[in-house]
Amino acid sequence: GENVEQHPSTLSVQEGDSAVIKCTYSDSASNYFPWYKQELGKGPQLIIDIRSNVGEKKDQRIAVTLNKTAKHFSLHITETQPEDSAVYFCAASPGSSASKIIFGSGTRLSIRP
Amino acid sequence: GAVVSQHPSWVICKSGTSVKIECRSLDFQATTMFWYRQFPKQSLMLMATSNEGSKATYEQGVEKDKFLINHASLTLSTLTVTSAHPEDSSFYICSARDQGGLAITYEQYFGPGTRLTVT
Repeated sequence: GENVEQHPSTLSVQEGDSAVIKCTYSDSASNYFPWYKQELGKGPQLIIDIRSNVGEKKDQRIAVTLNKTAKHFSLHITETQPEDSAVYFCAASPGSSASKIIFGSGTRLSIRP
Repeated sequence: GAVVSQHPSWVICKSGTSVKIECRSLDFQATTMFWYRQFPKQSLMLMATSNEGSKATYEQGVEKDKFLINHASLTLSTLTVTSAHPEDSSFYICSARDQGGLAITYEQYFGPGTRLTVT
């Protein structure tokens, strides 16, 4: 089955700097790659996603890149703000049915004021 | 956007009792819902896929007789933890896909989670 690896597990950046989180996946049939932000005690919230026919997608300060050949994708957050502090999860959805989503291990992002 | 609710948000029960958690899609129909379990400082682990009108599909290692899933309508799925034990204490999260339209949708909407504590 699909296996998603995520790095780093923790990340601390100065407010205003950029943060990058990287993930790799194993199933070449995966075609949907969402990123979620989870705050303490809450469910995950989708912040951006990308499909396999696209190499890059941007939404204001957040961008995601996908390299299907290498089977890796990354989340980029620019001009970080204190409210960006949270746990971020990458995920992959295997197969054309795009049914279940397999999560990475998570990255705890802390923004230093 | 689409909203998924869960009830209760937290529950404490005694060892050996059963607990039911509800997951509802509030403004869309969901033929497929998913149940996840998350232990402290860990990732979400998929437990099972809940299909409306049919039996749930459980992930390897998840006991189907212990975690009973019922998806009786297009907006409601329930997870019942039977004969709960302290090791079942966890954060249970459901998600749902909006499948009311003709287009294939990929996005899953997550509920706020239910924290279960078994004493």
